[in-house]
Amino acid sequence: AQKITQTQPGMFVQEKEAVTLDCTYDTSDPSYGLFWYKQPSSGEMIFLIYQGSYDQQNATEGRYSLNFQKARKSANLVISASQLGDSAMYFCAMREGGYSGGGADGLTFGKGTHLIIQP
Amino acid sequence: KAGVTQTPRYLIKTRGQQVTLSCSPISGHRSVSWYQQTPGQGLQFLFEYFSETQRNKGNFPGRFSGRQFSNSRSEMNVSTLELGDSALYLCASSLGQPYQPQHFGDGTRLSIL
Repeated sequence: AQKITQTQPGMFVQEKEAVTLDCTYDTSDPSYGLFWYKQPSSGEMIFLIYQGSYDQQNATEGRYSLNFQKARKSANLVISASQLGDSAMYFCAMREGGYSGGGADGLTFGKGTHLIIQP
Repeated sequence: KAGVTQTPRYLIKTRGQQVTLSCSPISGHRSVSWYQQTPGQGLQFLFEYFSETQRNKGNFPGRFSGRQFSNSRSEMNVSTLELGDSALYLCASSLGQPYQPQHFGDGTRLSIL
């Protein structure tokens, strides 16, 4: 079973509209972290936002917010007031476990959502 | 603050050769992770180094290896290259705690002929 599922391969959105990118995850570990990254066509991965499994509040970073619904294992990214420069691939990722001797695995990524902002 | 630097940016090799990729982390970051990105498999974790020790390893054959130096710089080596090794190889650094964000370099695009 996939650990990270992003069900929207591509999205077209009008400039200035809000965007919600879906992400569901699968883990039995009570301790995990969820991350969103942006990858423009140039290739670099840009960190956007982080949510810890024990965090009580939804994370926010400027125009980005994470709608964390733990019981549903959902961590959707919300981009408010989209801009043309937001056009890119967006990846949801998870890191499970903590450093209890065995170490934590690396990031597990979803397949990504290709977001295109139209003027 | 300088970001993660990966060299070279592009590399062309032939089957059977070996290749070494380099990654310089953000100053003060002690953890370096490597990822492979391909259109078919997406982003996959290769391994992570922390204080010169491999801390975690993904599900890749032994042809993929790495090391980390005392200044936290890391190298990744792929021996006996196969066509399927063509990919974007991304390096990421972090302070080392599990849930601190990893910051990525621009990647090395490796093409195997």
